[in-house]
Amino acid sequence: EPEVTQTPSHQVTQMGQEVILRCVPISNHLYFYWYRQILGQKVEFLVSFYNNEISEKSEIFDDQFSVERPDGSNFTLKIRSTKLEDSAMYFCAHGQGAETQYFGPGTRLLVL
Amino acid sequence: GESVGLHLPTLSVQEGDNSIINCAYSNSASDYFIWYKQESGKGPQFIIDIRSNMDKRQGQRVTVLLNKTVKHLSLQIAATQPGDSAVYFCAERRSGNTPLVFGKGTRLSVIA
Repeated sequence: EPEVTQTPSHQVTQMGQEVILRCVPISNHLYFYWYRQILGQKVEFLVSFYNNEISEKSEIFDDQFSVERPDGSNFTLKIRSTKLEDSAMYFCAHGQGAETQYFGPGTRLLVL
Repeated sequence: GESVGLHLPTLSVQEGDNSIINCAYSNSASDYFIWYKQESGKGPQFIIDIRSNMDKRQGQRVTVLLNKTVKHLSLQIAATQPGDSAVYFCAERRSGNTPLVFGKGTRLSVIA
């Protein structure tokens, strides 16, 4: 299985602060996704990204969220002003096609 | 409402026995399904997938069965090992390039 890496593994932040979560892509993968998982709950889709554009986003992905590939390398998820309810595991996923998605180990975000 | 769900939230099996984890889906237009395994503190790990034009697919020690008539998906693990202990999620793709929708998960505990 292709390996996806994410940084940081853990982040603690104050409410209202900006956070940037990073995902290191696999070179020949074209489809990128962000998901989150609140503790004890199911994995929820946030956004998909293809050809340097957002292809789909969920209701969770509001104006406080953004994604980009700033230099064609890392794939980032930014939360502009974190809220307590943003505390969750955030997973990046990749795929060569639009189907099989390989998940990273996740970033555990804690908002205080 | 919930369209991907699991019949059993927990499952305990003896080491060496076969495990069967079930999943129900409600969207008859779903055309692709994946089973993921998630160990504590890690991201979902791809196990096996199946397209809607198939009713069975086998991998190494795992088999996925799809019954479109009753909208049911199952994961069979042969000769269950302690390392199989994890939460197992089914996920469906409703059509085209839409994102995956995850179920809540079943926790599999293997008794040595």
